[in-house]
Amino acid sequence: AQSVTQLGSHVSVSEGALVLLRCNYSSSVPPYLFWYVQYPNQGLQLLLKYTSAATLVKGINGFEAEFKKSETSFHLTKPSAHMSDAAEYFCAVSVATGFQKLVFGTGTRLLVSP
Amino acid sequence: DAMVIQNPRYQVTQFGKPVTLSCSQTLNHNVMYWYQQKSSQAPKLLFHYYDKDFNNEADTPDNFQSRRPNTSFCFLDIRSPGLGDAAMYLCATSRDKGGLYEQYFGPGTRLTVT
Repeated sequence: AQSVTQLGSHVSVSEGALVLLRCNYSSSVPPYLFWYVQYPNQGLQLLLKYTSAATLVKGINGFEAEFKKSETSFHLTKPSAHMSDAAEYFCAVSVATGFQKLVFGTGTRLLVSP
Repeated sequence: DAMVIQNPRYQVTQFGKPVTLSCSQTLNHNVMYWYQQKSSQAPKLLFHYYDKDFNNEADTPDNFQSRRPNTSFCFLDIRSPGLGDAAMYLCATSRDKGGLYEQYFGPGTRLTVT
């Protein structure tokens, strides 16, 4: 079975500071990994995904994540936070075989102050 | 633009009064999902259709049912809504793309039960 742990239900940064949102996964088989962003009263938008092609994955809005198998991690980073980055972020895992269902983490709310 | 559409965006229903939420897609994806997301929680998968095959999650209450009359449309029926069913309901779609079932989400329907 797969699972995801997101450390920190809330993360606060200042505008222009580094954003680091943590995600650790557990999977008995090679995983696919995803980061989604959700703005208030909106659906989920895919930021980026890891599908084993490259360990450093670049996504939309300047975000990137690095897959580290030895650490079972897939942390999300952005060099410089913008006010518009304030949202809820979900890490998710699925298996890389057959039909996949997503298993979501509990989410991290990113707060950006001026 | 190809997309996932949910109507209505906001729905108010009375305790015990049946309600139907609608999802349509122009992506021509063969898989459609319904998720329930309560405040400050991760989305929880209720069920999915793989083509015409309905797949219920083991812990989805009997109060929740779904219909998929054709590839483009999928409905979520709540037979007797309780106060605990107030949530955001998210529809998503996917298809097999090189072994990856990447999910595309609609904007959601926020259900209020009075």
